[in-house]
Amino acid sequence: DIQMTQSPSSLSASVGDRVTITCQASQDINNYLNWYQEKPGKAPKLLIYDASNLKTGVPSRFSGSGSGTDFSFTISSLQPEDIATYSCQQYGNLPYTFGRGTKLEIK
Amino acid sequence: EVQLVESGGGLVKPGGSLRLSCAASGFTFTNVWMSWVRQAPGKGLEWVGRIISKAGGGTTDYAAPVKGRFTISRDDSKTTLYLQMNSLETEDTAVYYCATHRSEGTFDTWGQGTLVTVSS
Repeated sequence: DIQMTQSPSSLSASVGDRVTITCQASQDINNYLNWYQEKPGKAPKLLIYDASNLKTGVPSRFSGSGSGTDFSFTISSLQPEDIATYSCQQYGNLPYTFGRGTKLEIK
Repeated sequence: EVQLVESGGGLVKPGGSLRLSCAASGFTFTNVWMSWVRQAPGKGLEWVGRIISKAGGGTTDYAAPVKGRFTISRDDSKTTLYLQMNSLETEDTAVYYCATHRSEGTFDTWGQGTLVTVSS
């Protein structure tokens, strides 16, 4: 199975800060990498697909980059409603696997 | 509006069975691949398995921890996805989500989840 190493596991930042989360795959997955937002009691949301494509309707402050084994996810200016857990997910090979998530908090 | 509503969760004893349902609306269910994803308490998301559209062959794939115990099926006439879970173990305790596929491995829309607790 492809292991996804996501860091940091938690992050505290101020409103307006630039926030970056990284994800490393245990083998080359091309650009088969997605990013999701999870809030308690709510359905997870797809934000970024294929490493860098913003899903329609998702604010442009969210972005993703990378290919091969190293990927990053950035919020350019943190907003209070961005408090959530963010997870990466690969689909280069079955089984699909997720990172362990990054819990984002407001400082 | 695309909507997925899971049901069927609850408390079950180890070794027991449970069937989850996922009622879909707002899109052409027949054409869409579907997956189940779960999240155990305090843990990350874990893919459970998928079913391809009938046009694509209707085949299923499963994660190793559930293979041979869980079965995914779909009733396109009822636009409903199912997860039959047998020989349940305490490690299967989780919130179970159904999700549509945007592409082969991208989960586009998710339901709100249903909680399954396996405990004696």
